Amino acid sequence: AAGVIQSPRHLIKEKRETATLKCYPIPRHDTVYWYQQGPGQDPQFLISFYEKMQSDKGSIPDRFSAQQFSDYHSELNMSSLELGDSALYFCASSTRQALGGNTIYFGEGSWLTVV
Amino acid sequence: GEDVEQSLFLSVREGDSSVINCTYTDSSSTYLYWYKQEPGAGLQLLTYIFSNMDMKQDQRLTVLLNKKDKHLSLRIADTQTGDSAIYFCAEEPDRGSTLGRLYFGRGTQLTVWP
Repeated sequence: AAGVIQSPRHLIKEKRETATLKCYPIPRHDTVYWYQQGPGQDPQFLISFYEKMQSDKGSIPDRFSAQQFSDYHSELNMSSLELGDSALYFCASSTRQALGGNTIYFGEGSWLTVV
Repeated sequence: GEDVEQSLFLSVREGDSSVINCTYTDSSSTYLYWYKQEPGAGLQLLTYIFSNMDMKQDQRLTVLLNKKDKHLSLRIADTQTGDSAIYFCAEEPDRGSTLGRLYFGRGTQLTVWP
């Protein structure tokens, strides 16, 4: 079965540079989520989109922005990178179910290292 | 805020059963999830349970939910060395239109000894 596809898998950037991560959700999934997992930490919710509109916002720095496009793929843009942004960034997707809940599938993640 | 608690480490011998415990705080949580993360890898959805259930079995995995105590457990029968990984418990509070924000525990490192 198709899964959530993230690219690139690994990225090395210098401080103050910009990085863009891409996410392709599972086909027919209408909701995309971004999470950040620091070393040895649990994943923290950043932001989500439902039908191309931002649906929820978590602890996303102002230096970061994201959007969901007409084909449902999403991009996370990170500017003025700091050392503390080094983390594994997950994208996840889901679709709303009749009962009102949804099951959420994660991609393999994109490793960002800021040097 | 939400606070999901898990013990950090669990060691078992191959062939034994493993039980990973989790407590959560939001009684409105609709789904509760178990994810597996192997070193350097992504989050693999293992199983989930809807809040109106108290048990779910899926092959070697059994999830028990005690909604009154807000306690969730994952039992892995006949644990294998390939089960060694970090297991994350996550809750999804019911916030109406903002479904899907998960709150994770710190993860339980399961080590299986041959």
